[in-house]
Amino acid sequence: NAGVTQTPKFRILKIGQSMTLQCAQDMNHNYMYWYRQDPGMGLKLIYYSVGAGITDKGEVPNGYNVSRSTTEDFPLRLELAAPSQTSVYFCASSYDFGGTGYTFGSGTRLTVV
Amino acid sequence: QQQVKQSPQSLIVQKGGISIINCAYENTAFDYFPWYQQFPGKGPALLIAIRPDVSEKKEGRFTISFNKSAKQFSLHIMDSQPGDSATYFCAAWNQGAQKLVFGQGTRLTINP
Repeated sequence: NAGVTQTPKFRILKIGQSMTLQCAQDMNHNYMYWYRQDPGMGLKLIYYSVGAGITDKGEVPNGYNVSRSTTEDFPLRLELAAPSQTSVYFCASSYDFGGTGYTFGSGTRLTVV
Repeated sequence: QQQVKQSPQSLIVQKGGISIINCAYENTAFDYFPWYQQFPGKGPALLIAIRPDVSEKKEGRFTISFNKSAKQFSLHIMDSQPGDSATYFCAAWNQGAQKLVFGQGTRLTINP
């Protein structure tokens, strides 16, 4: 089925470790986004991309990095994991940039201990 | 202000009842208001959306009511069913700032 695929689904990291959260979409969407979801806080935008080679910061970019070498893939990198990065991470994509029709992945639940 | 305030945080409704979730905003630059539905272990999915030039939009049992002067909008779920149990997020899009801002979410439980 077409959509947004995130891997892994769950991960436990130790403080200071690094990891990459993978995100791939097969809908040929130009726009892709990374959100984190914390209880009672809604979704906060970490980074977004309007096309291959173009990325920009969202509301909460500190501690994260992204790259967009292809239209399909938008990985999120955590360089030095901290307990404050314990969260559920969602990748999303959209055809246009008007807030309409975001398609979300199933999420990655990350725990930093 | 780039904020959308959503209430209540959690809601329990009996099967067949009406579920109502409210959202309020301050920034008059918001020009598109979607609602997302999220089931446990899944990502949010677009449920219904409205633009500020209309006061109401209905899709099946789901209705958005929009009050532009009060800067408030709400989701009404008629004849609520156990399958509607999920977390609901309101959101607002600011075309000028090109940002989609989410509310804090409401965990809805429909008791059979």
